[in-house]
Amino acid sequence: DAGITQSPRHKVTETGTPVTLRCHQTENHRYMYWYRQDPGHGLRLIHYSYGVKDTDKGEVSDGYSVSRSKTEDFLLTLESATSSQTSVYFCAISDPASRGSPNGYTFGSGTRLTVV
Amino acid sequence: SQQGEEDPQALSIQEGENATMNCSYKTSINNLQWYRQNSGRGLVHLILIRSNEREKHSGRLRVTLDTSKKSSSLLITASRAADTASYFCATVDILTGGGNKLTFGTGTQLKVEL
Repeated sequence: DAGITQSPRHKVTETGTPVTLRCHQTENHRYMYWYRQDPGHGLRLIHYSYGVKDTDKGEVSDGYSVSRSKTEDFLLTLESATSSQTSVYFCAISDPASRGSPNGYTFGSGTRLTVV
Repeated sequence: SQQGEEDPQALSIQEGENATMNCSYKTSINNLQWYRQNSGRGLVHLILIRSNEREKHSGRLRVTLDTSKKSSSLLITASRAADTASYFCATVDILTGGGNKLTFGTGTQLKVEL
């Protein structure tokens, strides 16, 4: 999608290795999110950021860490990959908005991660 | 945990027919949104309806929201083969939706056949 890119698009890694996924936006949006998508579970929030160096956990944050040193980049790190982290990972951004006028998300194209 | 449950899980219709998908959720919400996902792609935002709205239209899409029943429906009129995709509802919870966080349902797979 225009304005947001994820890298890599596909990755195969071995159990126990660290993995970093990158999300880059050119929209200057305040909020950035990492979700994972698994069959039967829909999308589940891993971590999100509400500004540079400001991050918080989502519902499935165990085993993941994030960093946001610049507005445009949001990194997701699997410290020691496990097979249960095999999934499709999506980054999303949203406009800074008050609770009274929120906007929808713009999603990246996803990263398919396989842990063997 | 999932906020929304879509119904049906899968729907197959003929081109030109209308498609209706339903979503139920559990908490008090600020707004509810619908997204489309084509196979192998990211999600695309379709429409947002606020908690004080009952109905909203966008092109061939019609969304209703009943906060007393904690449910929403998405109607796609005069469906086309290009509408084949998965459709997800998502909510911003009043209490836990800080940061504009969305909680997604598990989706409805729509197939529109020629």
